[in-house]
Amino acid sequence: RKEVEQDPGPFNVPEGATVAFNCTYSNSASQSFFWYRQDCRKEPKLLMSVYSSGNEDGRFTAQLNRASQYISLLIRDSKLSDSATYLCVVNEDNYGQNFVFGPGTRLSVLP
Amino acid sequence: GAVVSQHPSWVICKSGTSVKIECRSLDFQATTMFWYRQFPKQSLMLMATSNEGSKATYEQGVEKDKFLINHASLTLSTLTVTSAHPEDSSFYICSASPARDTQYFGPGTRLTVL
Repeated sequence: RKEVEQDPGPFNVPEGATVAFNCTYSNSASQSFFWYRQDCRKEPKLLMSVYSSGNEDGRFTAQLNRASQYISLLIRDSKLSDSATYLCVVNEDNYGQNFVFGPGTRLSVLP
Repeated sequence: GAVVSQHPSWVICKSGTSVKIECRSLDFQATTMFWYRQFPKQSLMLMATSNEGSKATYEQGVEKDKFLINHASLTLSTLTVTSAHPEDSSFYICSASPARDTQYFGPGTRLTVL
């Protein structure tokens, strides 16, 4: 079983749509969670860290459910520039850093 | 702030040669640097974790004698792919971490081995 799993995608949505991505992780001791976006042939860029209470940054909302070991990312009012691959990342190490990347979910926002 | 550079951005080499990739944190100090590899249509896979002044910790399945990592200072880590072969062709990305749960990625190095 993979340590971090994501919706396989791709997601093709029209501009203005709301889209949600799901991510599950297998290590229940994981403490820190992140969403990154990666454009084609570029490095990942941090979109948001995910806090236990859930957090929102403009059109983006992240939620964490520790009991179900589940993380979600909601994008409202999709823009063409949101087209990218979204990576769910988990730090599995309680004291140090052991980042495990999910396989990513590709989003294409269509005009 | 928090800029990480990688050099070279791309390299093409012959099979059997060695290639060195540099990763620098330009405006901060990083006690830890990570090296990742990404094959087409796949996610990033951690290769090794490098702490300044100590030996790198390699992930299972990554040959430490083939992928030499040197983290000589708080702003520089190097990855040397020794005796590169076509199957080593990939996108190599480093990240630098100044604090826990914080990492800044370099722009990556695209390696093609002929």
